[in-house]
Amino acid sequence: AQSVTQLDSQVPVFEEAPVELRCNYSSSVSVYLFWYVQYPNQGLQLLLKYLSGSTLVESINGFEAEFNKSQTSFHLRKPSVHISDTAEYFCAVKKGYSTLTFGKGTMLLVSP
Amino acid sequence: DVKVTQSSRYLVKRTGEKVFLECVQDMDHENMFWYRQDPGLGLRLIYFSYDVKMKEKGDIPEGYSVSREKKERFSLILESASTNQTSMYLCASRPGTPLSTEAFFGQGTRLTVV
Repeated sequence: AQSVTQLDSQVPVFEEAPVELRCNYSSSVSVYLFWYVQYPNQGLQLLLKYLSGSTLVESINGFEAEFNKSQTSFHLRKPSVHISDTAEYFCAVKKGYSTLTFGKGTMLLVSP
Repeated sequence: DVKVTQSSRYLVKRTGEKVFLECVQDMDHENMFWYRQDPGLGLRLIYFSYDVKMKEKGDIPEGYSVSREKKERFSLILESASTNQTSMYLCASRPGTPLSTEAFFGQGTRLTVV
């Protein structure tokens, strides 16, 4: 079964600094990869997804993620974070018809 | 926009009670899911359903059951609530095809069992 590892449970960063949230998955076949975000007291919202094609995918609020097949990684990056980016971020993988498997989440804490 | 609605945001129940968590989606999705979310553990799949009256166990089904009598509604049942079932419960839905489509989540129900 596929699994997802988010290497950092918490990432503190100052406003306007760059950030990278790491995600590795275990699978030797084609997968669909997702990043979800959960703001305080809310459900999960899709941030971006990789299905096929270009290995770099972008979201509308400045986040991007790069699919790296050789390293089985799908790290999330943003060049300059805002206070409003404070949230928990979940990486997820889906293979074939199976359900989504989530990582344990990374809490991004942005301070002024 | 897809809307997944969970009937309660917060619930407090007593140990041993039978608890029903309801979820309704308005986009005619075939697949529906129940996850629980706990700090440090992420989201873990309890049950899912790919059609009316169909259900499949997820990773942690013990102590739970589900019901899907209508396509739009997926209920999670705690037969006899216990304190270790205190958690955030998230419902999600997605279309059956294409396989690449993401899941859409409800706002969550925070259940406390005392």
